[in-house]
Amino acid sequence: GAVVSQHPSWVICKSGTSVKIECRSLDFQATTMFWYRQFPKQSLMLMATSNEGSKATYEQGVEKDKFLINHASLTLSTLTVTSAHPEDSSFYICSARDRESSPLHFGNGTRLTVT
Amino acid sequence: GQNIDQPTEMTATEGAIVQINCTYQTSGFNGLFWYQQHAGEAPTFLSYNVLDGLEEKGRFSSFLSRSKGYSYLLLKELQMKDSASYLCAGMDSNYQLIWGAGTKQIIKP
Repeated sequence: GAVVSQHPSWVICKSGTSVKIECRSLDFQATTMFWYRQFPKQSLMLMATSNEGSKATYEQGVEKDKFLINHASLTLSTLTVTSAHPEDSSFYICSARDRESSPLHFGNGTRLTVT
Repeated sequence: GQNIDQPTEMTATEGAIVQINCTYQTSGFNGLFWYQQHAGEAPTFLSYNVLDGLEEKGRFSSFLSRSKGYSYLLLKELQMKDSASYLCAGMDSNYQLIWGAGTKQIIKP
């Protein structure tokens, strides 16, 4: 149980375009989903926390107009990287939990390369 | 402030036992998590401790001492596939996870 599916696994896009990443909880209802970014050989960096039906809470330094998060249902959250630039190239990972005290379960991540 | 400390890197030999330590300072405490992350992959959940003591799960065990703000992950009978980073994360009173930077575990044959 507790499977989180994330798509796509990898994407290459041109600078200036937008990319949407989907995160789905397959066998549980995710009241909260989290979006992380990880640069090579660095630790996980929380970008934002999203609760179903409400606006996402962004961490300091993360541009909410650039990284659009929509948590439309209890099983789906999306992250859209708008007007992507090469410095946005990173490994983006979503995670979800059904209750506050539950462990986070991670998707497989999306490797984004902006050329 | 809130902080998680764990060693940056550890090296051990295949078949050995290794203990990865983690000390934490959180605003309130709702448990301590350990995750495994292989290079280029997302983290996978290993263990959760909220009460003092040792939780054993196969070759992996996790220990917690709340009074000392201390946890460790014990890996027994090390296998080459255990080469990975091990992430310690404390959950604060708001149920937010505070992540350590991870310990890269190198295993030599």
